[in-house]
Amino acid sequence: DGGITQSPKYLFRKEGQNVTLSCEQNLNHDAMYWYRQDPGQGLRLIYYSQIVNDFQKGDIAEGYSVSREKKESFPLTVTSAQKNPTAFYLCASIAKQTNTEAFFGQGTRLTVV
Amino acid sequence: QQQVKQSPQSLIVQKGGISIINCAYENTAFDYFPWYQQFPGKGPALLIAIRPDVSEKKEGRFTISFNKSAKQFSLHIMDSQPGDSATYFCAASPNNNDMRFGAGTRLTVKP
Repeated sequence: DGGITQSPKYLFRKEGQNVTLSCEQNLNHDAMYWYRQDPGQGLRLIYYSQIVNDFQKGDIAEGYSVSREKKESFPLTVTSAQKNPTAFYLCASIAKQTNTEAFFGQGTRLTVV
Repeated sequence: QQQVKQSPQSLIVQKGGISIINCAYENTAFDYFPWYQQFPGKGPALLIAIRPDVSEKKEGRFTISFNKSAKQFSLHIMDSQPGDSATYFCAASPNNNDMRFGAGTRLTVKP
């Protein structure tokens, strides 16, 4: 079954801790994206990567970091510098060659406790 | 500043009615305009998409109307059903790079 998998589904973080959200895809897609979803604000782009070992900041990259060491994987680290990290995080991937739809994972809900 | 502006924020329609959601953009480099449907606790899924070389695209009960000169596009859901109740997002991207989303419209279809 091809798809994009995010883990964990729920994550709790203490103040001052870094946490890493996992995103794995077996669709052989080149491009991968991280979005943050807050009520009433839609999906805001955090980071994206169009090729291995390369990534670009989106609109709200401050307090986040990413890596793209493998085509299949695009983990997102929420650092302690992110002042308001409680949100729903969505990972997506796109096949650049065909310019078709973005496939989304099921999301990770992060809560700061 | 949102690159894609979506309205209304919420919409209530009776079963069998027409749901209309509007979006506007500024960046003329955008050339791909998809609509996504999201159910609670799930990731968005592509519903229908259009490129600016056509003014309308229809798939079943869902139609996108596109006005390139006005930089606006809209989603029409004909014969709306309770199962259509979800949040809808418009989006835009230049050649599928760094896709930007609207703020979303929560649609409720009353039986």
